[in-house]
Amino acid sequence: AQSVTQPDIHITVSEGASLELRCNYSYGATPYLFWYVQSPGQGLQLLLKYFSGDTLVQGIKGFEAEFKRSQSSFNLRKPSVHWSDAAEYFCAVAPYGNKLVFGAGTILRVKS
Amino acid sequence: DTAVSQTPKYLVTQMGNDKSIKCEQNLGHDTMYWYKQDSKKFLKIMFSYNNKELIINETVPNRFSPKSPDKAHLNLHINSLELGDSAVYFCASNSGRADEQFFGPGTRLTVL
Repeated sequence: AQSVTQPDIHITVSEGASLELRCNYSYGATPYLFWYVQSPGQGLQLLLKYFSGDTLVQGIKGFEAEFKRSQSSFNLRKPSVHWSDAAEYFCAVAPYGNKLVFGAGTILRVKS
Repeated sequence: DTAVSQTPKYLVTQMGNDKSIKCEQNLGHDTMYWYKQDSKKFLKIMFSYNNKELIINETVPNRFSPKSPDKAHLNLHINSLELGDSAVYFCASNSGRADEQFFGPGTRLTVL
């Protein structure tokens, strides 16, 4: 079945440590790819997106993501996590049309 | 200057009631969406309208009826509310598949 998978429900990292959040999709063609962040009680904010071209995409707040076609992955990374990064992160794909399909989300906890 | 706004932010009501949630965007976008985020934070698209026309309806019960009086507004009316309708409902808008969707702050609906 076509889907978006975020295998990690929770991740805890120390402040200043690096971060990688995983996302895999199972659509035949390369969909448009997005990462959104949701802080508690808030709406969703776009971190970055990939449509084509350079497979390493830079986003806001120091985040980047790399598209790997061979692995159907679009993992989100940050070299040094700040306490304010604690939130829930959603990978999403637009496989066709305007429809966004979301992964189940990964909750990031940052310990000081 | 809110880009996508929703009212109300919180809605608590009894089973069987009818309620509406309003959404407005001032971004000049052509397409608007409703998403439902359940208690496990899973986000799923419900409806999408493009220039006041319904383009996506994800097998949502017909108790849910979206209405778009103009392309800047997309309201969600829910009849005969059920316990399972308790969720956070997000409105979003964009100008096309490749464009990021801008999300509203959400409406937390609690059905008692």
